[in-house]
Amino acid sequence: EPEVTQTPSHQVTQMGQEVILRCVPISNHLYFYWYRQILGQKVEFLVSFYNNEISEKSEIFDDQFSVERPDGSNFTLKIRSTKLEDSAMYFCASSEVLYNEQFFGPGTRLTVL
Amino acid sequence: AQKITQTQPGMFVQEKEAVTLDCTYDTSDQSYGLFWYKQPSSGEMIFLIYQGSYDEQNATEGRYSLNFQKARKSANLVISASQLGDSAMYFCAMNSGYSTLTFGKGTMLLVSP
Repeated sequence: EPEVTQTPSHQVTQMGQEVILRCVPISNHLYFYWYRQILGQKVEFLVSFYNNEISEKSEIFDDQFSVERPDGSNFTLKIRSTKLEDSAMYFCASSEVLYNEQFFGPGTRLTVL
Repeated sequence: AQKITQTQPGMFVQEKEAVTLDCTYDTSDQSYGLFWYKQPSSGEMIFLIYQGSYDEQNATEGRYSLNFQKARKSANLVISASQLGDSAMYFCAMNSGYSTLTFGKGTMLLVSP
């Protein structure tokens, strides 16, 4: 069964460093998303992406964040200069059709020291 | 703005019994989708069930059913014949107007032998 994959599963970085989180959405899906979940809290939306551009973003998704689809399969989230409060689980998700169920990847746990 | 409320921080159920996890929502949109996700201790987000606001019948997926009461704005998840592997955090989510999901704070379900 097709699934969303994410790499790495765990990333540890120093404050101020850049990180790139990678995702491979399900191949026939057209809509891509990033969410994050700070430990013990609810899942929060960051950004959605369709047709090679951002379609929606939350207030969390400030200038430190960027997304890219560098080729036909990968979807990346870049945090330019990480802060302690960026420590969280980051989930990539994809959906085939707008408003339908979104399938989540296993997540990348980002730890900023 | 849309909002999801899950009032039960934790629920206990015995194996083989049924359990209902509560979810209420708030939106001014007429068209919306309601979702339930399961998050086991390993951290991944597993899609369980979807209900569209115009669906007249309650959604069912195996042992999961969604008790959709539109007038009360509730979308409770019913798990029949609980299994030990059902122990996890359960999140209710919705989208309306936009494709992004808004999540509730979650309910931790513990299934005992």
